[in-house]
Amino acid sequence: EDQVTQSPEALRLQEGESSSLNCSYTVSGLRGLFWYRQDPGKGPEFLFTLYSAGEEKEKERLKATLTKKESFLHITAPKPEDSATYLCAVQLNQAGTALIFGKGTTLSVSS
Amino acid sequence: NAGVMQNPRHLVRRRGQEARLRCSPMKGHSHVYWYRQLPEEGLKFMVYLQKENIIDESGMPKERFSAEFPKEGPSILRIQQVVRGDSAAYFCASSLSGEGYTFGSGTRLTVV
Repeated sequence: EDQVTQSPEALRLQEGESSSLNCSYTVSGLRGLFWYRQDPGKGPEFLFTLYSAGEEKEKERLKATLTKKESFLHITAPKPEDSATYLCAVQLNQAGTALIFGKGTTLSVSS
Repeated sequence: NAGVMQNPRHLVRRRGQEARLRCSPMKGHSHVYWYRQLPEEGLKFMVYLQKENIIDESGMPKERFSAEFPKEGPSILRIQQVVRGDSAAYFCASSLSGEGYTFGSGTRLTVV
């Protein structure tokens, strides 16, 4: 069965304290891996798509990496405004197929 | 340049009533996906539609739920005879060609 697991479920950081979120996946065929950010009461906001092992993408304080079994979202020197739930999702095999989501990691950054 | 528009934002229905959730995709997007998010659960795929066609409905409950995406107008997710277990946030996403999904802000359905 295709599965996406995110860890930890919740993470508390001090402002400036760097860390990483993990997304491990077991799928029959990976086309792409997506990272989204979700704020309370809102829809997921797109961050990154990764397609092949070894690929990396960066946006401000966030960097996403991909291996054959997992992806990491690295957060460097986080700020309170980075507090949100971060969702990982995989797309199987071909364009157009629906995303399979993990349960998310809820990040809280305190000043 | 509006994003994906969903309405209503909040919907309260009594048990047994019908709920209609609307989704207008981004301009030019012809792929629409519906997801449901239960408390403490991840987003679960329900149905994938293109104009006038259901492409994949493998995540839809077999009874009471239906979806359409007509040639003109928004996509509609319809839940008949709602029960308390249908209470959830329902999100719509659209895509231009099956790449890069943009989500709406969701409809929060409460069944009382």
